[in-house]
This record gives sequence, C-alpha cells and structure tokens, in this order.
Amino acid sequence: TQLLEQSPQFLSIQEGENLTVYCNSSSVFSSLQWYRQEPGEGPVLLVTVVTGGEVKKLKRLTFQFGDARKDSSLHITAAQPGDTGLYLCAGGIQGAQKLVFGQGTRLTINP
Amino acid sequence: EAQVTQNPRYLITVTGKKLTVTCSQNMNHEYMSWYRQDPGLGLRQIYYSMNVEVTDKGDVPEGYKVSRKEKRNFPLILESPSPNQTSLYFCASSLWQASYNEQFFGPGTRLTVL
Repeated sequence: TQLLEQSPQFLSIQEGENLTVYCNSSSVFSSLQWYRQEPGEGPVLLVTVVTGGEVKKLKRLTFQFGDARKDSSLHITAAQPGDTGLYLCAGGIQGAQKLVFGQGTRLTINP
Repeated sequence: EAQVTQNPRYLITVTGKKLTVTCSQNMNHEYMSWYRQDPGLGLRQIYYSMNVEVTDKGDVPEGYKVSRKEKRNFPLILESPSPNQTSLYFCASSLWQASYNEQFFGPGTRLTVL
C-alpha cells in the first residue's frame, strides 16, 4: 500500500513568515497533486506536477516534485491569513484509477 | 455552474438504519469516487466508478455499497451503519484518469451514527 506522509501535521505562524510543507513516500508516483480545503467545503485543486524535478509557481506558492517522484514540497512566501486551511497532497498511482492522499497539514496564519 | 452536489449535508442516524447519501455532477465526468475523511487519516477512498455500471472497491469498502446507473449520479449506500462509520464523506468526479486529472469535490456530508 502506497503511503504519503505529510509534515508537519499542524503549523501556526505569523503573517509575513515563510513556510514549507513536505509530502514524502517510499513509493514512486506518476503525478502529485496539492489541494487546499477550507472548513465546510471540499478540497480544491491547487496544482498537479507530473515530471520529476518539476517546479510550479502559483503566486506566492511554489510546488516541487522530487527528482525520483517520491516526494513533494509546498513553499509559501510571506504567508497571509487567507492562506489558512488544510493542505493535502495526493499521489497518482501509475495504471490505477486512484489517488493516495496524505493526512494533511493544517495551516494557521495569524494576523 | 460546474459542481458536485451531495445530500444531505448533515445526517445523524442510529446503528442499523439503512441510509443513502446522494451525489450528482453536472460536468459529464466519467470518473466518480467516494472518500471518507477522518482526523489524522486524510482522505481514504471507499469506492470509485470509471463509467456507468462500472464500479470498484477503494481502500476502505467494507460496510458500503455504490451504484452507477446514470453517468451523473453515484449514490453511497450504508445498508447497516455502525458507529465506526461516523465520518465526513466526500464525493468527487474527474474527467477521466483520476491520477492526472483534477478531482472536483462535493461540499461533504457529515454523518454521525449513534
């Protein structure tokens, strides 16, 4: 069974600080997605990365897929209160119609 | 508006009383799935469907049933709910292959089984 471990599980920082969330596995994934979930809502896709070493930027968010496609990171620069939420990574399994989700990182940005 | 809808949003029931959570999408998506979300465990897939009349088990299928008689609908059935099925449930759909395509999630159904 492929597992994705996210760290940290909880993170509370002040507005303006930088942070990195990690998503690690011993398994190789064909793709890696990051979702953000807000209270009372379903997860919403932020980005999909499919190539080892790929880096994508979404305003202040930078996503990287590991060279070996076993891990990924999400870096937020100058965090803002609007970044508060639950961040989930999800790995695509080659040949299988499914995603494996990490347990999530609950991020709180304090004004 | 493109969306996935679920009903009900909240449900409190008792052990053994059969229930159905409905899910509908208006995006003509082939792929639909059900997840449950529990603290510290993330999202775990219950069942998925790649097309009408094609369903398969996910990682935690025990105690659940699904059907896909129409492309847009994918109901989740709990024949005899138990307290360990208390959870937050999400339905999701995507264009085709789930591992590459964006999954669109419904707003969730919070189920409590007493």
